[in-house]
Amino acid sequence: NAGVTQTPKFQVLKTGQSMTLQCAQDMNHNSMYWYRQDPGMGLRLIYYSASEGTTDKGEVPNGYNVSRLNKREFSLRLESAAPSQTSVYFCASSSVPYSTDTQYFGPGTRLTVL
Amino acid sequence: ILNVEQSPQSLHVQEGDSTNFTCSFPSSNFYALHWYRWETAKSPEALFVMTLNGDEKKKGRISATLNTKEGYSYLYIKGSQPEDSATYLCALGLTDSNYQLIWGAGTKLIIKP
Repeated sequence: NAGVTQTPKFQVLKTGQSMTLQCAQDMNHNSMYWYRQDPGMGLRLIYYSASEGTTDKGEVPNGYNVSRLNKREFSLRLESAAPSQTSVYFCASSSVPYSTDTQYFGPGTRLTVL
Repeated sequence: ILNVEQSPQSLHVQEGDSTNFTCSFPSSNFYALHWYRWETAKSPEALFVMTLNGDEKKKGRISATLNTKEGYSYLYIKGSQPEDSATYLCALGLTDSNYQLIWGAGTKLIIKP
């Protein structure tokens, strides 16, 4: 039981390049989330998927797109990377999309955009 | 803009000492309050979720209390150990049907042997 896995762990991009961050969970959770974490700030929600087949914008969606490929997988795409997107990205999942439900986090992807 | 404030930002504690830190939030928007523990190079892990004023939760040497009327939660660690070194995050849930959590920036706890 791996929980939430993310790939890659580290990535360096040049401005304008694109990439996709992959996330998968094996807990049969309905809801999945993408966050970014910047120094001195709390986690900020980029996009979420309340259930398979749905996705919605969070607090900071600009410059990102997502795909809920199936119940297990939720990917985050940067179409044209910018230095402002240098951050640590976390994927999380929860059984249901309620604010009382525990979210389980992946190990994070550290992204640097030059 | 809703803010969840955590204080202090960082804290050095001698091994064996007890400590506590605070999460403050707008009381008018409260539905749930989460505490997570985040060790360096690992994933944030859930400690507690609390929903009722006066809630107290305990896991081993770590406990938390909740005051929704005044908008704060305390996290206590009794007899700090080196493995307690981590960043402790709190997150506010606004309503039951709204999944979104508002996260504090965390308190970084360093235990000195």
